[in-house]
Amino acid sequence: SQTIHQWPATLVQPVGSPLSLECTVEGTSNPNLYWYRQAAGRGLQLLFYSVGIGQISSEVPQNLSASRPQDRQFILSSKKLLLSDSGFYLCAWSTSEGGNEQFFGPGTRLTVL
Amino acid sequence: RKEVEQDPGPFNVPEGATVAFNCTYSNSASQSFFWYRQDCRKEPKLLMSVYSSGNEDGRFTAQLNRASQYISLLIRDSKLSDSATYLCVVNPNLTDSWGKLQFGAGTQVVVTP
Repeated sequence: SQTIHQWPATLVQPVGSPLSLECTVEGTSNPNLYWYRQAAGRGLQLLFYSVGIGQISSEVPQNLSASRPQDRQFILSSKKLLLSDSGFYLCAWSTSEGGNEQFFGPGTRLTVL
Repeated sequence: RKEVEQDPGPFNVPEGATVAFNCTYSNSASQSFFWYRQDCRKEPKLLMSVYSSGNEDGRFTAQLNRASQYISLLIRDSKLSDSATYLCVVNPNLTDSWGKLQFGAGTQVVVTP
């Protein structure tokens, strides 16, 4: 069966510090991968998605970036965090056909102070 | 108009009662629909997928009305453990949005003893 991992689970970072969140998927090959952010009491905002190694599409302009160095690894980064980057970051995967169900990792709760 | 709209609630439901709520979507070409449940501070988890007129899984029933562009979720014999936020998710089937889904902000359900 497929599993998706994210770490760390929680993170408190000062403004201006760098960020690296990691997501890995097991039990499937060539998945579509997604990064979402959920602000408190709000819906999910798609940040990035990837259909293959090295292929990243950005949905919204921001100071975040994403990379996919391996088939089942997806990384979210920032060089300098802003207060507005606080939120619940969720990684998800779906089959490569697209448009199908997405399955979410446990998330990383980021607080920028 | 938002792509996917939900009544935020909360819907306060006595234990054992039935509750139903709707989700409207803007793109008439949408092909598939999903209901997720999200517990407080946790990741969304897939509850049900709908590819035709509806779906039923135990106490949960989803009904799709393509003419009016809404999908409903009905929960029978509510349990305390059904308390959660229910996210309506739509595959808009847009040519340039392959693999991407549209998320509603969620409907909160609170089941009371």
